[in-house]
Amino acid sequence: DTGVSQNPRHKITKRGQNVTFRCDPISEHNRLYWYRQTLGQGPEFLTYFQNEAQLEKSRLLSDRFSAERPKGSFSTLEIQRTEQGDSAMYLCASSLKGNEQFFGPGTRLTVL
Amino acid sequence: AQSVTQLGSHVSVSEGALVLLRCNYSSSVPPYLFWYVQYPNQGLQLLLKYTSAATLVKGINGFEAEFKKSETSFHLTKPSAHMSDAAEYFCAVRSGNYGGSQGNLIFGKGTKLSVKP
Repeated sequence: DTGVSQNPRHKITKRGQNVTFRCDPISEHNRLYWYRQTLGQGPEFLTYFQNEAQLEKSRLLSDRFSAERPKGSFSTLEIQRTEQGDSAMYLCASSLKGNEQFFGPGTRLTVL
Repeated sequence: AQSVTQLGSHVSVSEGALVLLRCNYSSSVPPYLFWYVQYPNQGLQLLLKYTSAATLVKGINGFEAEFKKSETSFHLTKPSAHMSDAAEYFCAVRSGNYGGSQGNLIFGKGTKLSVKP
């Protein structure tokens, strides 16, 4: 399967812990997006990379959140000092030059 | 700024009946519009997209949507519902201009479709 993959699929953590998620986009895609989806809502944009450059960050992305895409391939999203409000599905998507976005299966985070 | 409103958080139809899921958009530039489907505990799958070509757009699984500028609408339809269509459907508009530096999607809150046998 050459689609977008995300790991882990599920993460349960205690409040105050740090967590890191990984996204592997479709190999030739140069754009990578992170979204957050809470229960009963549509996905909300967090941040976006073109190759290794982080070009846009939503105001939803507090200073506890950081994302990287070191070699323009996979990306990581880290949340420091997690809070219960961070519980959500974190979705990654990739696209080629701004064409349609292909989504991964998501990482579901539960903060206890 | 762009936005999307989906009317009806939950729609229930009988198998074989018409499916109509409503989406209205707001955009200061010609919009690029999308419908995605999400099955439980899965990511989003693109059903169809409008990118300023034909106003009637056909997608996968028998779905189609019509772009109506005068009504700022992009409603999703399917003539005959199948049990396998039960899922959550999201309408989205792409932010910024086509090919612009942003291009992230702005989603509606979703409509959960139930199909009764």
